[in-house]
Amino acid sequence: ILNVEQSPQSLHVQEGDSTNFTCSFPSSNFYALHWYRWETAKSPEALFVMTLNGDEKKKGRISATLNTKEGYSYLYIKGSQPEDSATYLCALIPISSGSARQLTFGSGTQLTVLP
Amino acid sequence: NAGVTQTPKFRVLKTGQSMTLLCAQDMNHEYMYWYRQDPGMGLRLIHYSVGEGTTAKGEVPDGYNVSRLKKQNFLLGLESAAPSQTSVYFCASSYRSFGSYNEQFFGPGTRLTVL
Repeated sequence: ILNVEQSPQSLHVQEGDSTNFTCSFPSSNFYALHWYRWETAKSPEALFVMTLNGDEKKKGRISATLNTKEGYSYLYIKGSQPEDSATYLCALIPISSGSARQLTFGSGTQLTVLP
Repeated sequence: NAGVTQTPKFRVLKTGQSMTLLCAQDMNHEYMYWYRQDPGMGLRLIHYSVGEGTTAKGEVPDGYNVSRLKKQNFLLGLESAAPSQTSVYFCASSYRSFGSYNEQFFGPGTRLTVL
């Protein structure tokens, strides 16, 4: 069983606060890492696809970093807004998935931004 | 483009009944996936397909069957529903390309209750 772990499980922050959360994965089985944003009553939507050690990706106020040697990725949100409230999922494509490239998801970090 | 669509959106079954969930995508994606999402757990892969006429088992395939007779459609069948199959089911699809880091596009989900 492949362990992709996310922490914290849930997080409440005030509007304007910056926050970050972690995704951990087995470094020996890394091929690529995806981050998805999942709003309540909607479908998950891709934020970032990360492939190289040291990758940094940014989309507006949201950014992510990747350390494949130690097996973790951080997602940062700068100046959180209520519309950032969602569950953030990370998902690993392990080397062992072969050509199918199936994802193994973490259980997510549920972010609530309070106005 | 409709993207990824799922039919039906909701369904209630009695134990032992059968049903088929339909996933359709209009993005000409090669890869298609079926996941289930349960409280406190990440998305878990049930079955997937890397092309028309091919299917493979994911992490939790027991009790489900799938078919991919047309490239745009991926069917998930429950032959004899059990209460343990009460869940929200998501379909997803993605491109196949060299490297295949591509993000997955998700459907809106089907909420299934088995009594």
